[in-house]
Amino acid sequence: DAGITQSPRHKVTETGTPVTLRCHQTENHRYMYWYRQDPGHGLRLIHYSYGVKDTDKGEVSDGYSVSRSKTEDFLLTLESATSSQTSVYFCAISESQGWLDEQYFGPGTRLTVT
Amino acid sequence: AQSVTQPDIHITVSEGASLELRCNYSYGATPYLFWYVQSPGQGLQLLLKYFSGDTLVQGIKGFEAEFKRSQSSFNLRKPSVHWSDAAEYFCAVGKTGNQFYFGTGTSLTVIP
Repeated sequence: DAGITQSPRHKVTETGTPVTLRCHQTENHRYMYWYRQDPGHGLRLIHYSYGVKDTDKGEVSDGYSVSRSKTEDFLLTLESATSSQTSVYFCAISESQGWLDEQYFGPGTRLTVT
Repeated sequence: AQSVTQPDIHITVSEGASLELRCNYSYGATPYLFWYVQSPGQGLQLLLKYFSGDTLVQGIKGFEAEFKRSQSSFNLRKPSVHWSDAAEYFCAVGKTGNQFYFGTGTSLTVIP
């Protein structure tokens, strides 16, 4: 299994509070991704990174920011959490561009915003 | 516009029966096509992928998929389903410019 960990695995937070989710990889892969998974929507790309300090928006980036200061870590921040951000968040990595390469997924973080 | 469609939300099959999960995509050029599987409480795992060449691709766990350009389809098949195949299956399409879209998934139940 690819070495991908996500922390925390579960979190309950209140509306309006900031939340940061962490993805850590030990594979030294260049590309990292954040997805959210919701019933009826499958997985949707939030943001991705193609190198240290290089990030770009995905399909559903509003309300989220990311940072990547080291190859191994990719942080997803909800600046002011809303109930619509209740979801399961998955981090993924790939050696080359994910639209043409296998992505390896972490175990997910279940976030509940009350 | 939806890039990939999985028309079946849920499918139930008997153990030992054959399986076909449908996937349709919308894209002018030939996309990069993937099938992923998600076991309960887990992340996703790649079953197979198609980029070019032979339109019938073999994957892990005895799965195969066939790319049909005329039907814009990439259906997943398995000749004999095992109870351990119960999971959620996602078709995905990759497009130039690091665009990547998942379908909404098909949940598979296997009955004894």
